[in-house]
Amino acid sequence: QSVLTQPPSFSGTPGQRVSISCSGSNSNIGSNTVNWYQQVPGTAPKVLIYSNNQRPSGVPDRFSGFKSGTSASLAISGVQPEDEGDYYCATWDDSLNGVIFGGGTKLTVL
Amino acid sequence: QITLKESGPTLVKPTQTLTLTCTFSGFSLTPRGVGVGWVRQPPGKALEWLALIYWNDDKRYSPSLKGRLTVTRDTSKTQVVLTMTNMYPVDTATYYCAHLYDYWTAPDYWGQGTLVTVSS
Repeated sequence: QSVLTQPPSFSGTPGQRVSISCSGSNSNIGSNTVNWYQQVPGTAPKVLIYSNNQRPSGVPDRFSGFKSGTSASLAISGVQPEDEGDYYCATWDDSLNGVIFGGGTKLTVL
Repeated sequence: QITLKESGPTLVKPTQTLTLTCTFSGFSLTPRGVGVGWVRQPPGKALEWLALIYWNDDKRYSPSLKGRLTVTRDTSKTQVVLTMTNMYPVDTATYYCAHLYDYWTAPDYWGQGTLVTVSS
């Protein structure tokens, strides 16, 4: 069971706005920044968002990140078929003194 | 451009020790706050953080695996080595190394990963 809670699955239709949540606590999300990753099966995770809401160069601007209190979310405005995959949130946990990950959310584009 | 690549055995026997090497380029382990971490992912399961080492040789380990893990660095060769003792079939996973850009953050850039199978 992961310290960060994500919905196991999510679905959307092309062009729809979808939002994936990540719930934590004061010792992790409440105190530190959040990263989001996309993982296509058989490949390594790729960072989509770092430091809560920063997008690396090359990541489409339809991906955005938000954080409020002990929760964070990843929004995809205008989801595309190529966005299918697994999405993970991650942050530092002050109590565990290490990195923690969410359980992952499988996004299906119908 | 930051790149990382894992290398090591693809098959280990139960009770053996696993040694993985992460060779990186595009950054150095000297600026304050920079680190290299290790993460694994069993087939079909979620990501699990294992260990990390910072620019100043500060090391952190997953509490659940702390007694089995050792992470070291070789700054002259731009490599980080992870050792995990007493391997068992449940440790079968893809092992990734990744770059950390600052203290108390999660990784940003990742290596391609290497699948390690534990079987007799």
